[in-house]
Amino acid sequence: ETGVTQSPTHLIKTRGQQVTLRCSSQSGHNTVSWYQQALGQGPQFIFQYYREEENGRGNFPPRFSGLQFPNYSSELNVNALELDDSALYLCASSLDSGLDGYTFGSGTRLTVV
Amino acid sequence: AQSVTQPDIHITVSEGASLELRCNYSYGATPYLFWYVQSPGQGLQLLLKYFSGDTLVQGIKGFEAEFKRSQSSFNLRKPSVHWSDAAEYFCAVGLHHSNYQLIWGAGTKLIIKP
Repeated sequence: ETGVTQSPTHLIKTRGQQVTLRCSSQSGHNTVSWYQQALGQGPQFIFQYYREEENGRGNFPPRFSGLQFPNYSSELNVNALELDDSALYLCASSLDSGLDGYTFGSGTRLTVV
Repeated sequence: AQSVTQPDIHITVSEGASLELRCNYSYGATPYLFWYVQSPGQGLQLLLKYFSGDTLVQGIKGFEAEFKRSQSSFNLRKPSVHWSDAAEYFCAVGLHHSNYQLIWGAGTKLIIKP
């Protein structure tokens, strides 16, 4: 059973650029949730995808967008990067509602300069 | 608005000593409650969860937590810590009525003294 894989592990972008982060969900999981974790804080919910549809969204602007593919992998896209977007981006997969708990990836560390 | 409070940013305990990490939540109904652990460079790992039933739940690595409705608390405990327990611990609340997102506390960093 494979876990959740995120790529890349680290990247540095310039303010105003666009970035795409990728997540491969655990085998058998059909739900992917994305979280932003700023330094010294708990994760903040960005959005969730269930069977290729957005299933809920947190308090993030529209420049944060996502996709889920038929194999349940997912992408997080962030346009017009701002310095405050620097954070660890975590992907978590789960089965349906995720009540049994998520399986998290190790995250992508994004630095915006 | 729903919120989760972990009042201790850092806790230092001696190896072999007991541990209690505090978590309080603000939510209108009984939420789903979770404790996760995050080690440097690693993702979040689920320690234990509470959905309903027995208010004392057992988790992995010798951890347990007790749900107290009257105090809106879900404190994490371990009778004897090991150096490998040094990590950051997060309490989270699941909003089961909507889109199943988790609301997280700010975390407590556990430091183990030899």
